[in-house]
Amino acid sequence: GAGVSQSPSNKVTEKGKDVELRCDPISGHTALYWYRQRLGQGLEFLIYFQGNSAPDKSGLPSDRFSAERTGESVSTLTIQRTQQEDSAVYLCASSLSEVVNTEAFFGQGTRLTVV
Amino acid sequence: AQSVTQPDIHITVSEGASLELRCNYSYGATPYLFWYVQSPGQGLQLLLKYFSGDTLVQGIKGFEAEFKRSQSSFNLRKPSVHWSDAAEYFCAVGAGFQKLVFGTGTRLLVSP
Repeated sequence: GAGVSQSPSNKVTEKGKDVELRCDPISGHTALYWYRQRLGQGLEFLIYFQGNSAPDKSGLPSDRFSAERTGESVSTLTIQRTQQEDSAVYLCASSLSEVVNTEAFFGQGTRLTVV
Repeated sequence: AQSVTQPDIHITVSEGASLELRCNYSYGATPYLFWYVQSPGQGLQLLLKYFSGDTLVQGIKGFEAEFKRSQSSFNLRKPSVHWSDAAEYFCAVGAGFQKLVFGTGTRLLVSP
């Protein structure tokens, strides 16, 4: 596609429910990243994929968070048993490779609100 | 561990005036430095990046940034601000692969 697409753009969920956030990267981009942006804070790295594997999951805040990527394309970030502190904007980015001097293109994010 | 500090949460600049947004980083080796802009309802867009070489980096939309190793700074500048520049600006540092560490952002307001 023309850019990184994320869905849904907004999600309101009840505490304790599971949610799935989707990211469609730019076609041909092998690297994919998830970040979280809490209100008034910078972006926190969550996880990155090179192809379908995730060499670095160090940013996932708890075992309630998981992510997968299939077909070197779509990625899904799943949050189980959501808590109010999970409320944030979740941003996905993709780049041609994991090398730092290749530009990462960001989607518009999914705004998650846990009530 | 690397970190980024953007000391100004909000900045208001008159249209046509010059702009400087501050960014200080902490990183043991030569840093890779980035400035991104986030407009309302938009994703982050890369303005410019520094990896090595000339310490004055030109970016898109008339922005530039200067890397000063002695001050651990990478300040963003623009000589004349336009109303369309109102947005949130993020400085980031990267190391190795693209695991970027972002600052908390500076919101730019442009007054008429």
